[in-house]
Amino acid sequence: AQTVTQSQPEMSVQEAETVTLSCTYDTSESDYYLFWYKQPPSRQMILVIRQEAYKQQNATENRFSVNFQKAAKSFSLKISDSQLGDAAMYFCAYRPDNNNDMRFGAGTRLTVKP
Amino acid sequence: DSGVTQTPKHLITATGQRVTLRCSPRSGDLSVYWYQQSLDQGLQFLIQYYNGEERAKGNILERFSAQQFPDLHSELNLSSLELGDSALYFCASSVRQGSYGYTFGSGTRLTVV
Repeated sequence: AQTVTQSQPEMSVQEAETVTLSCTYDTSESDYYLFWYKQPPSRQMILVIRQEAYKQQNATENRFSVNFQKAAKSFSLKISDSQLGDAAMYFCAYRPDNNNDMRFGAGTRLTVKP
Repeated sequence: DSGVTQTPKHLITATGQRVTLRCSPRSGDLSVYWYQQSLDQGLQFLIQYYNGEERAKGNILERFSAQQFPDLHSELNLSSLELGDSALYFCASSVRQGSYGYTFGSGTRLTVV
């Protein structure tokens, strides 16, 4: 079974600073996809960034980037120049290429201090 | 607006009752997924439909059922409701069964009293 672990229930960052959220996953598959979703207080699930396992280059979306370590099964999210609007729950998610069941981690609650 | 529409946004009902949650996927998306998010927890996959056919099942209770109609909208039926069924129910859609992340609706908040 595939599982996703987010070991940091809560994280805090100062506005304009950088923070890294951790995620590890367990799988025997070789082809899969990884995602980070943001859930602000509105509870809307927003896709932040995604990574295909076959790509060695780490994905980047503006201030958001990932550090994908396939051998270590690690997929961390780095948020640079943190803004107050980044405060939210962040969920790491895994989905194998041949399966439709996207598995989510338990989430990390990020607080941004002004 | 994500393009995925869920109705109603809020629902309060009594134990033992039956409710139907509705989801209209984003235009062009053929796959619909249902997830349950209990208070301060992650999302649990319930069921997936692709172009009207059930494709995957997760931790869905026998009291729950779903279907996808020819116009691609989907309904999640919850019956014999219990207090523990209180949760946020998300619908998500995707174009195909592939690499893209799902587009989520804003959810239906179900409260069972």
